[in-house]
Amino acid sequence: RKEVEQDPGPFNVPEGATVAFNCTYSNSASQSFFWYRQDCRKEPKLLMSVYSSGNEDGRFTAQLNRASQYISLLIRDSKLSDSATYLCVVNPYSSASKIIFGSGTRLSIRP
Amino acid sequence: NAGVTQTPKFQVLKTGQSMTLQCAQDMNHNSMYWYRQDPGMGLRLIYYSASEGTTDKGEVPNGYNVSRLNKREFSLRLESAAPSQTSVYFCASSHDSLNQPQHFGDGTRLSIL
Repeated sequence: RKEVEQDPGPFNVPEGATVAFNCTYSNSASQSFFWYRQDCRKEPKLLMSVYSSGNEDGRFTAQLNRASQYISLLIRDSKLSDSATYLCVVNPYSSASKIIFGSGTRLSIRP
Repeated sequence: NAGVTQTPKFQVLKTGQSMTLQCAQDMNHNSMYWYRQDPGMGLRLIYYSASEGTTDKGEVPNGYNVSRLNKREFSLRLESAAPSQTSVYFCASSHDSLNQPQHFGDGTRLSIL
């Protein structure tokens, strides 16, 4: 099993739809989690941190399920501008060299 | 409000040539990182510096060296470039190395012929 796994997609959904994707991790000792978005040929940009109690930022909701070892990202009322690749990041909190970026999930919003 | 600045943005090298990729951050971050990103491979950590004066190997350090020149600057050197090092290189920084998100520069696209 990979240390961090994401469905590569692509997810192709209509504008206004709700879309969700997960990221599973194998190290149960992992302590901090993030979602980044990366546009084509651009750098990754922090979208949001993921807190144990779950957190929301506008149309975006991130959740952590420690028992099943996954984090999720929910996007409501999707916009064309949400089209990007979404990377999950897992930090096992033992060393910076252990920070792991998922390979990303491609999301395409169609008009 | 520059954040993380990388130079150059594009570079083409011949096999065997050397070059240094520069990275500077103005956020007073302690930790800095170098990644490479290849299609289908995701981001892979080359080297990182948890704090000024320290550097450590990441997942794919072979063929690279780094220097943490001061708190702001972290350079990546290819001593003898190989075609396998063709990639997009990202520098990142964070307040600390364990629990804070990283902020990325806009990348260097490097091609080795």
